[in-house]
Amino acid sequence: SQKIEQNSEALNIQEGKTATLTCNYTNYSPAYLQWYRQDPGRGPVFLLLIRENEKEKRKERLKVTFDTTLKQSLFHITASQPADSATYLCALDRGTGFQKLVFGTGTRLLVSP
Amino acid sequence: ETGVTQTPRHLVMGMTNKKSLKCEQHLGHNAMYWYKQSAKKPLELMFVYSLEERVENNSVPSRFSPECPNSSHLFLHLHTLQPEDSALYLCASSQNLPGLASTDTQYFGPGTRLTVL
Repeated sequence: SQKIEQNSEALNIQEGKTATLTCNYTNYSPAYLQWYRQDPGRGPVFLLLIRENEKEKRKERLKVTFDTTLKQSLFHITASQPADSATYLCALDRGTGFQKLVFGTGTRLLVSP
Repeated sequence: ETGVTQTPRHLVMGMTNKKSLKCEQHLGHNAMYWYKQSAKKPLELMFVYSLEERVENNSVPSRFSPECPNSSHLFLHLHTLQPEDSALYLCASSQNLPGLASTDTQYFGPGTRLTVL
């Protein structure tokens, strides 16, 4: 069956450290993958998109990698700040079907001062 | 702000009530979506509209009825809901529908937190 797996347990890190979140998928061949940030009681906000032919993408303190062999994407936040505390969702292109962009359940990140 | 607004932000309704959720996008996008987000579950796409026409329809119960009067507005009409329908309902828009040339980056509204008693 098709699955997108993100760590359901919250990730707790100290301010200034690098946070690394994982998105693993099974039985998908996505042409691209996206990462979103969601704050409590709010809708997700788009952060980054990475295509299957790209190994890495950066935006300010954010970095995303995409390994189609491992079927995994890693999302890094360097020099993390308490304001980075949120839930981070990965979403991938399913290509066909009604819901072409399918989401993981997200990982909650808590950055403590 | 993402350019997508939703009202109301919170809604409590009984199982026999009729209510509507409203969404408006100010981005000039052509596609609009309704999603349901329940605790510990991934976002579930309910309805998709492109240029005011419903494109495809998932197997959503008929107690949910969408309406798209123009490309900027989307409604979700609710009637005789069940307690299990309690969730965060998110509206989103994208420039175009997903396809070979489009990565359908979604712009979400803040959501309506719906509680069905």
